[in-house]
Amino acid sequence: EADIYQTPRYLVIGTGKKITLECSQTMGHDKMYWYQQDPGMELHLIHYSYGVNSTEKGDLSSESTVSRIRTEHFPLTLESARPSHTSQYLCASSERTRPPYNEQFFGPGTRLTVL
Amino acid sequence: AQTVTQSQPEMSVQEAETVTLSCTYDTSESDYYLFWYKQPPSRQMILVIRQEAYKQQNATENRFSVNFQKAAKSFSLKISDSQLGDAAMYFCAYGLDDKIIFGKGTRLHILP
Repeated sequence: EADIYQTPRYLVIGTGKKITLECSQTMGHDKMYWYQQDPGMELHLIHYSYGVNSTEKGDLSSESTVSRIRTEHFPLTLESARPSHTSQYLCASSERTRPPYNEQFFGPGTRLTVL
Repeated sequence: AQTVTQSQPEMSVQEAETVTLSCTYDTSESDYYLFWYKQPPSRQMILVIRQEAYKQQNATENRFSVNFQKAAKSFSLKISDSQLGDAAMYFCAYGLDDKIIFGKGTRLHILP
């Protein structure tokens, strides 16, 4: 079944650790996105990608980095986690070749807590 | 620049009643998409309904319908026969090119 997956769902980690949040989609979508969202609050776009080897920074400055080596995979990495990184991270994808071109499908999210 | 405004941070409705969530947006474009997304507590964000700007007919999905007023740049969501499972954050969103611009959301409470 076509879907978008995120792992881990919950992560509690100490300050200074390197972490990678995984996002994979089986829908064949070219475009993928990362959002940061404090619980019950608005979404902030932090990274997006138009396809393999394409990555762009979003509207909210973030210390995280992303890569897009495979169409289906869009991991997000924090080299040194800090308590200010505590938040929920949502991954999304969208189709590029047929309308609606910007409708996004979301993963279940990763809730990150940095102690 | 495009913006999306949801003026109601929180709303409550009695179960089985009807509620309308407001959304306005600003754009100079003529063709675009509008969306309502639902995010239940600790659950996945899902699309509720979409509207293409050049279609005058208001979109409907079961108990969910929109009132799309293009000239007024208004896109409200009506939920009929509210159910406990409708309790969630609702985000209005404007889509243009490769991105979506989200409003800040409205938290909807359903009162039993």
